[in-house]
Amino acid sequence: DIQMTQSPSSLSASVGDRVTITCRASQDISNWLAWYQQKPEKAPKSLIYGASNLQTGVPSRFSGSRSGTDFTLTISGLQPEDFATYYCQQYSYHPLTFGGGTKVEI
Amino acid sequence: QVQLQESGPGLVKPSDTLSLTCAVSGDSISSDNWWGWIRQPPGKGLEWIGYIYYSGSAYYNPSLKSRVIMSVDTSKNQFSLKLNSVTAVDTAVYYCARKKGGWYDFDSWGQGTLVTVSS
Repeated sequence: DIQMTQSPSSLSASVGDRVTITCRASQDISNWLAWYQQKPEKAPKSLIYGASNLQTGVPSRFSGSRSGTDFTLTISGLQPEDFATYYCQQYSYHPLTFGGGTKVEI
Repeated sequence: QVQLQESGPGLVKPSDTLSLTCAVSGDSISSDNWWGWIRQPPGKGLEWIGYIYYSGSAYYNPSLKSRVIMSVDTSKNQFSLKLNSVTAVDTAVYYCARKKGGWYDFDSWGQGTLVTVSS
């Protein structure tokens, strides 16, 4: 199975901050990487697919990038509604696997 | 806009079979999509259970493969999950979701349904 190592597991930030979350794949997954946002008691919401493609309707302050097997989700200018848990997921190989999550707190 | 809605018992006894259905509206279950199940134990992360194409072709997580069966009902535009021989570790919120073909991820999710395994 592809292991997705996500870091940090949690972080504290303020409104307006630039936040970076990283996910490392245990082997090459090309650009088959997605990012999701999950708020308490809610289903995950797709933010980015194909490593860097913004899902329709997602604010442009969210961006994704790739360097080899390292993937980054950046939030440029954190907003109050962005406080949530973020997950990466690889969908290059079966079984599809998720990172452990990053909780972004105030 | 596509909508997915899970339904099924919220309480299942140990060793019984967990059965859930996901009703799809706003999209045809026969379109070029994979229809999947993902679960999340209370306070924990996400686990992919598997997904199925309308033709019946399916991929399952090997960790659950021996206990999982997924099916599609094109006449009702819905798909289903059966997980047998459940134990307390199967207690989780179960989500159904759509994965479009190609580069796309799980772009649409149901609201989730909590299934508790307990006698």
